[in-house]
Amino acid sequence: GAVVSQHPSWVICKSGTSVKIECRSLDFQATTMFWYRQFPKQSLMLMATSNEGSKATYEQGVEKDKFLINHASLTLSTLTVTSAHPEDSSFYICSARDPSGDWNEQFFGPGTRLTVL
Amino acid sequence: AQSVTQLDSHVSVSEGTPVLLRCNYSSSYSPSLFWYVQHPNKGLQLLLKYTSAATLVKGINGFEAEFKKSETSFHLTKPSAHMSDAAEYFCVVSANTGFQKLVFGTGTRLLVSP
Repeated sequence: GAVVSQHPSWVICKSGTSVKIECRSLDFQATTMFWYRQFPKQSLMLMATSNEGSKATYEQGVEKDKFLINHASLTLSTLTVTSAHPEDSSFYICSARDPSGDWNEQFFGPGTRLTVL
Repeated sequence: AQSVTQLDSHVSVSEGTPVLLRCNYSSSYSPSLFWYVQHPNKGLQLLLKYTSAATLVKGINGFEAEFKKSETSFHLTKPSAHMSDAAEYFCVVSANTGFQKLVFGTGTRLLVSP
C-alpha cells in the first residue's frame, strides 16, 4: 500500500515557540492531505484538509492562524503550530489520498507527538 | 451527515478466543465503512473496508467484518485472538457519494491476556 511518513516522530518545545511537522507521501502524489489531532485515549479529530496549491480548509473551531498548513508540492504538506502552548500538546497525525486508488481511502502517517513545556 | 458509535470502550479476551468489536453507523448516504488499528504511539493501519461490494469483508491478520444494513452495523470479528492483536481499534464511516470526510468512532481498546 501507499506509504506516508511524518517528521519528526516526536518533538519537545518551550511555550511560545513554533514547531513545524512534515507529512510526505513517499510513493505516490497526494493532491489532498489531511491533518488530525488525537488527545490521549481519544479518537482522531480532523483539523484541516490540505489541497496542493491552494489554501487549506479548516474544521470548525480550529484556529487557522495558530495551525498553519502549507501543501506546496504533491508529496509534502506541513503543519506549523505557532506560539505553542501546553494545551497544544497532542499527537498529530497526517493522512493522504492516492488519487490513482480508491477515492475514499486515506493512508496515515505514523504520527508526531508534540509536548509543549 | 455521518456518525459512528463503538459500543465498547474496552474489550478483554483471552488468547485463542474469538474477538467481537461492535460498531453501529448512521449515514445520510450509502456509506463506506472502515476498520483501522492503532498500536501505541503508532499511526493507523487499515484492517479492512466496505464500499458497497460484498457485505462480508475479509481483512488482514484474520479479521473480518459484516455490513448489515438492516441493523446499521459493521462489527469486527476474529476467530482466535493473538497477543499481538492488543491495540486500539477505530470504526470509521464516510459517505459513498463523492469525496467525504472520514468520521471516526471513539475507539475500542482490545486487551488480550495469555
